[in-house]
Amino acid sequence: DAGVTQSPTHLIKTRGQQVTLRCSPKSGHDTVSWYQQALGQGPQFIFQYYEEEERQRGNFPDRFSGHQFPNYSSELNVNALWLGDSALYLCASSFRTGNYGYTFGSGTRLTVV
Amino acid sequence: AQSVTQLGSHVSVSEGALVLLRCNYSSSVPPYLFWYVQYPNQGLQLLLKYTSAATLVKGINGFEAEFKKSETSFHLTKPSAHMSDAAEYFCAVSLSGGSYIPTFGRGTSLIVHP
Repeated sequence: DAGVTQSPTHLIKTRGQQVTLRCSPKSGHDTVSWYQQALGQGPQFIFQYYEEEERQRGNFPDRFSGHQFPNYSSELNVNALWLGDSALYLCASSFRTGNYGYTFGSGTRLTVV
Repeated sequence: AQSVTQLGSHVSVSEGALVLLRCNYSSSVPPYLFWYVQYPNQGLQLLLKYTSAATLVKGINGFEAEFKKSETSFHLTKPSAHMSDAAEYFCAVSLSGGSYIPTFGRGTSLIVHP
């Protein structure tokens, strides 16, 4: 049973560019959440998608946007990249509310130069 | 709103010694509490969770945690550390009556000496 799959694993972008990260949830899960983890910090919640809609959003600017597809997979888009966007981006999936815990992917390491 | 505080950014123990990682939470409603482990260059793996059942929760790899409401704590313990336990550990809290989206602490790095 595949867990959460994220692609790509590593990415280098230049300031001002745009990036798209992808996530396939664990089988049986219908909700996808995205987190940003800066070096030496805990994960910070970006947003959550359920039934193809953004259900909740953390304290991130509109440069961060997402999408969920009918097969529950999801994309995270970041426009106008800043150096400060360099981080590990984690995707987590869950069933509905996720009150029994989330399953995390291995993340995408984004470096902005 | 909810938050967690993990006391100590680094904890160092000898192999075979007791592991104690501290977590205090703040929550306006009864919380759900979680411990996750992160190995280098990997995502987070759920160790254990408290969801208002038994206050002593047993997880994977010999870890356990006790929910103490009076102390607003959810410390993680393991009787005997193994070299393979060296990793980053995150405590997280979510609201039991809301969206369940977990808020994470800053993490504690566990270092195990031979």
